[in-house]
Amino acid sequence: GNSVTQMEGPVTLSEEAFLTINCTYTATGYPSLFWYVQYPGEGLQLLLKATKADDKGSNKGFEATYRKETTSFHLEKGSVQVSDSAVYFCALREWGGSEKLVFGKGTKLTVNP
Amino acid sequence: EAGVAQSPRYKIIEKRQSVAFWCNPISGHATLYWYQQILGQGPKLLIQFQNNGVVDDSQLPKDRFSAERLKGVDSTLKIQPAKLEDSAVYLCASSPEAGTDTQYFGPGTRLTVL
Repeated sequence: GNSVTQMEGPVTLSEEAFLTINCTYTATGYPSLFWYVQYPGEGLQLLLKATKADDKGSNKGFEATYRKETTSFHLEKGSVQVSDSAVYFCALREWGGSEKLVFGKGTKLTVNP
Repeated sequence: EAGVAQSPRYKIIEKRQSVAFWCNPISGHATLYWYQQILGQGPKLLIQFQNNGVVDDSQLPKDRFSAERLKGVDSTLKIQPAKLEDSAVYLCASSPEAGTDTQYFGPGTRLTVL
């Protein structure tokens, strides 16, 4: 079945450091790919998305590129802030059928001042 | 625009008891989802409704879990009887229609089964 694998956390960085959170997927067809973020005490919210190969999703300084050849969708940010501390989930939306979201396990990011 | 509402936010019960969760999606959203998020894992879809009808309930443990969406608006998820392994956060999400990219999530209900 379809699945998403994220790098193990937690990740702790200093403010202004470079962030990469790795995400790879296994899926049939042409899934859409997403990063969702969960800030402390809040619900999941969409951070960015990409719907086809070579698309780049971006939002709030975060970027991720849909790489079909490596089945990856790594999340990057050039300079993290304390306010970026959250849990980040990589997900795919299945192609065809119910088109449900399949999530990775999440990566907790803590940014220290 | 009001977001997805869920209640209660927290619930503690003993095993073999029953519990129900309520979700009110964003107004006008045809598709409603219930997810289970066990600590340290990503959300797992339990059931997806399109208006009143069930689109996908393949991962719903039907011997103990049930869900309904009467009138195509609010939804209730019930567990009867609860087991220890049902301890999790239950998330409700909605989207304007099936196949749209963005799902909007509620704050979740944290269930603890003792």
